Amino acid sequence: RKEVEQDPGPFNVPEGATVAFNCTYSNSASQSFFWYRQDCRKEPKLLMSVYSSGNEDGRFTAQLNRASQYISLLIRDSKLSDSATYLCVVNIGGGADGLTFGKGTHLIIQP
Amino acid sequence: GAVVSQHPSWVICKSGTSVKIECRSLDFQATTMFWYRQFPKQSLMLMATSNEGSKATYEQGVEKDKFLINHASLTLSTLTVTSAHPEDSSFYICSARLASGSLEQYFGPGTRLTVT
Repeated sequence: RKEVEQDPGPFNVPEGATVAFNCTYSNSASQSFFWYRQDCRKEPKLLMSVYSSGNEDGRFTAQLNRASQYISLLIRDSKLSDSATYLCVVNIGGGADGLTFGKGTHLIIQP
Repeated sequence: GAVVSQHPSWVICKSGTSVKIECRSLDFQATTMFWYRQFPKQSLMLMATSNEGSKATYEQGVEKDKFLINHASLTLSTLTVTSAHPEDSSFYICSARLASGSLEQYFGPGTRLTVT
């Protein structure tokens, strides 16, 4: 089983729509969770950290369900500029500081 | 914000040659830097963790004698791909963690290596 799994998509949604995607992680000891955004042939950029209580940043809402080991990202009122690949990222902690990345979910916002 | 640079942005080299990639934290000190590799349509894979002043820690399956890492200062880590082969062609990305202990990592723009 892969450590971090995401639906690769692509998700094609019209501008202004609300879209959500999930990811699951296999290591129950994972301690930190993030969503990164990666544009084509570019480096990943941190979108937001994910906290147990859930958190919101503008049009973006992230949720963490530790019992089920999944993380979600909700994008409201989607913009054309939201088109990108969204990477679910996990850190297992305990001295292992490297990040474990999912393959990403490709999102295409259509005008 | 925290800025990480990488040099070169892209490089094409012949099989058997060695290539050095530099990763710099421009506006902060980074006691720990990380090197990742991403093949087309694949996720980023951690190659090694680089700690300033000490030996790098390599992930399983990554040859330490092939991928030489030097972290000589709090703002610079280098990755040297020795005796490169076409299968080493990939997108190499470094990241740095703020010395304050934050878990967030800031990524460099990446280096696209093509070995012919």
